[in-house]
Amino acid sequence: GAGVSQSPSNKVTEKGKDVELRCDPISGHTALYWYRQSLGQGLEFLIYFQGNSAPDKSGLPSDRFSAERTGGSVSTLTIQRTQQEDSAVYLCASSPTGREQFFGPGTRLTVL
Amino acid sequence: GQNIDQPTEMTATEGAIVQINCTYQTSGFNGLFWYQQHAGEAPTFLSYNVLDGLEEKGRFSSFLSRSKGYSYLLLKELQMKDSASYLCAPSKAGGTSYGKLTFGQGTILTVHP
Repeated sequence: GAGVSQSPSNKVTEKGKDVELRCDPISGHTALYWYRQSLGQGLEFLIYFQGNSAPDKSGLPSDRFSAERTGGSVSTLTIQRTQQEDSAVYLCASSPTGREQFFGPGTRLTVL
Repeated sequence: GQNIDQPTEMTATEGAIVQINCTYQTSGFNGLFWYQQHAGEAPTFLSYNVLDGLEEKGRFSSFLSRSKGYSYLLLKELQMKDSASYLCAPSKAGGTSYGKLTFGQGTILTVHP
């Protein structure tokens, strides 16, 4: 079946611009996560959605970052006024139970 | 908070056995995941340990000691395709934190012929 998909696969933007990254989770998965991975670094947790519960936003690095999940399915991560340090691969994962996570291919964001 | 420690790099020979260690300090610890990540690709799930002891799954086994805050991933009969980064990830229990993982920096394993 279809896995987690993310779009765009690559995004190049100028410093100060806003960007939106999209994640389509596996159908029926109630949990959805966003991570980012800088070059040569581990995965950094950003935000976690579980069903209709309030999201766990404890990993968002600043108020320029926000995410929403509509209808318990598609999620959008928005970064406002991008900075060069925001350059990274942004990974989305979904899970049926909150246990094993299935990752998407990621969006490579480059801020010039 | 969390503190996760695993070796940065390891090398091994094809056909050999390698053990990748991970120590962690995690408040509200629930269980520990291991993920594999090939260069330029997304992580894929390998194992999840909740109880103490060794769990075997084919060529890969994972061990957990909750009291010691210690886990290891054991890879047997190494193949070239096992060259990848191996990520240790403790999970926290309870409330909206269930399933929230904090990943270690990863151990880059290089398998030589």
